[in-house]
Amino acid sequence: DAGVIQSPRHEVTEMGQEVTLRCKPISGHDYLFWYRQTMMRGLELLIYFNNNVPIDDSGMPEDRFSAKMPNASFSTLKIQPSEPRDSAVYFCASSPGQVTDTQYFGPGTRLTVL
Amino acid sequence: KQEVTQIPAALSVPEGENLVLNCSFTDSAIYNLQWFRQDPGKGLTSLLLIQSSQREQTSGRLNASLDKSSGRSTLYIAASQPGDSATYLCAVPFRQTGANNLFFGTGTRLTVIP
Repeated sequence: DAGVIQSPRHEVTEMGQEVTLRCKPISGHDYLFWYRQTMMRGLELLIYFNNNVPIDDSGMPEDRFSAKMPNASFSTLKIQPSEPRDSAVYFCASSPGQVTDTQYFGPGTRLTVL
Repeated sequence: KQEVTQIPAALSVPEGENLVLNCSFTDSAIYNLQWFRQDPGKGLTSLLLIQSSQREQTSGRLNASLDKSSGRSTLYIAASQPGDSATYLCAVPFRQTGANNLFFGTGTRLTVIP
């Protein structure tokens, strides 16, 4: 298996622009997670899906952030409009979902908002 | 409030030494505790997962222990190698917030000097 795939790996944009991050989970995993990692706050869970349905979005910082999972093999995290404080590394992870299972992380997307 | 803390933030040791990384958490009602490794510019890789009913897990030169009552876990690395250089993070899903909501520590950056 190729693991969790994220694109793009790096994104540089200007404040006010729309940003879309993409994720392909491991086939057969029922859970998909979006995380954000910053120096100040560490790694934080933004939202997670079970069988394509959003379960917990309490970590989504503002209405500017939205996430979708239209099918079992694809998810997007969108920021509109982007702000400099959104600069971070965004990780996608997937999991079979049992308590005994770990989460498998993608390589991340490094976002820089100028 | 659920929190996970790791000390030290950074550690530098000569090759061949045994070392211990520490993780503490504020609520003993947990599903499990996980240790991850993160290499620069990359995602997280799961190292060990200890269920709440277990006391320790071993994988090769790595041994992780769990003491729920005191809210502590340690990751023991034997005979350290330069390839062990990375940031190590522990993560805990608390029963109050759900099995899929991982709270991460801020990590310990390990450098093994050849």
